Amino acid sequence: KAGVTQTPRYLIKTRGQQVTLSCSPISGHRSVSWYQQTPGQGLQFLFEYFSETQRNKGNFPGRFSGRQFSNSRSEMNVSTLELGDSALYLCASSAVGAGTSGAQETQYFGPGTRLLVL
Amino acid sequence: GENVEQHPSTLSVQEGDSAVIKCTYSDSASNYFPWYKQELGKRPQLIIDIRSNVGEKKDQRIAVTLNKTAKHFSLHITETQPEDSAVYFCAAGSYNTDKLIFGTGTRLQVFP
Repeated sequence: KAGVTQTPRYLIKTRGQQVTLSCSPISGHRSVSWYQQTPGQGLQFLFEYFSETQRNKGNFPGRFSGRQFSNSRSEMNVSTLELGDSALYLCASSAVGAGTSGAQETQYFGPGTRLLVL
Repeated sequence: GENVEQHPSTLSVQEGDSAVIKCTYSDSASNYFPWYKQELGKRPQLIIDIRSNVGEKKDQRIAVTLNKTAKHFSLHITETQPEDSAVYFCAAGSYNTDKLIFGTGTRLQVFP
């Protein structure tokens, strides 16, 4: 099976612009979560999606949004980019999602999208 | 709030020695504790996980222990090899959510 894929892998934007990142989960996986990784803050949870519904959201401003499509692919959007948004954005997928099964399952990470805001 | 503390931040060992990384979590509802290894420029990869109904789990040279009362869990790597060099993250999760709270990471260097 192909692993989790993310596009684009690298992105350079300027302050004030917006960006959309894409994540394709492992085939058959229905749950997708997003994380921001920075040297200063580490790995921080952004959101989780299952069956096109956002189940949980981390402590990020409203400029960060996301969605999931019927094929389980997910996108996240960041509007009005700030310098501090420069980070590695990782998505992870799991088969069923703890929101349905109760217990957490293994989450498999994608390679990430490295965003640089100038 | 939810928090996971991880120590040490860096760890240097000689090849063949053991390495221990410790984490403490704050949310008593946490019941799932995965460990991820992230090599430079690569994605985090799960190396072992433990659930709250188990006190210890072992997979070859890697073991994890959990003390629910103290809210501590630890990663033990025995007979370390240079390819074990990476950043290791602990995390804590709960029921009904895929959200993971990650520790700040430990950079492990294994010298030949």
